[in-house]
Amino acid sequence: GDSVTQMEGPVTLSEEAFLTINCTYTATGYPSLFWYVQYPGEGLQLLLKATKADDKGSNKGFEATYRKETTSFHLEKGSVQVSDSAVYFCALNRPGGGNKLTFGTGTQLKVEL
Amino acid sequence: GAVVSQHPSWVICKSGTSVKIECRSLDFQATTMFWYRQFPKQSLMLMATSNEGSKATYEQGVEKDKFLINHASLTLSTLTVTSAHPEDSSFYICSASPGGVFTEAFFGQGTRLTVV
Repeated sequence: GDSVTQMEGPVTLSEEAFLTINCTYTATGYPSLFWYVQYPGEGLQLLLKATKADDKGSNKGFEATYRKETTSFHLEKGSVQVSDSAVYFCALNRPGGGNKLTFGTGTQLKVEL
Repeated sequence: GAVVSQHPSWVICKSGTSVKIECRSLDFQATTMFWYRQFPKQSLMLMATSNEGSKATYEQGVEKDKFLINHASLTLSTLTVTSAHPEDSSFYICSASPGGVFTEAFFGQGTRLTVV
């Protein structure tokens, strides 16, 4: 079945550091890929998405590129801020699967001054 | 973006009792709502899909008699954990989709259930 594997946290960085959160997936066909973010006390919010190979999703300085050859969708940001502290979830849905998402375990990011 | 409110945020209950979790779409009508569960250090797992006015569709391995889902209106779905046991302790999250299953879904903040 479909699965998503992302790096374990927590990840602790200093402000302005470079961020990478790894995400790899296993799925049949060509799924759409997503990153969701959950700030403390809030619901998951869609951060970015990519629907086909080589697409790059970007939002709020975060980027992720759909790499079919490595089945990866790593999240990156060049300079993190304290306000980026949150839990980040990688997810996929299979073609025709609508909003039935398969999630990774989530990675907690802590950014310190 | 659209807002989905989940209540309560956390609940502690005694083993054998039932607990109801509400999921409300505050500023849109949700034809479809999804319920997920997350155990510690594990992925969010889809439990069931509910469509307004019809029976929920449960994922394989999810006991429908234990996790009762009601989607009686376009803005409210409820998940009732019946006869809860400590192994039901988990983080439950709902999501709601305004345009059916193929449009973006918006998530509630989750409910931490602890059964003692």
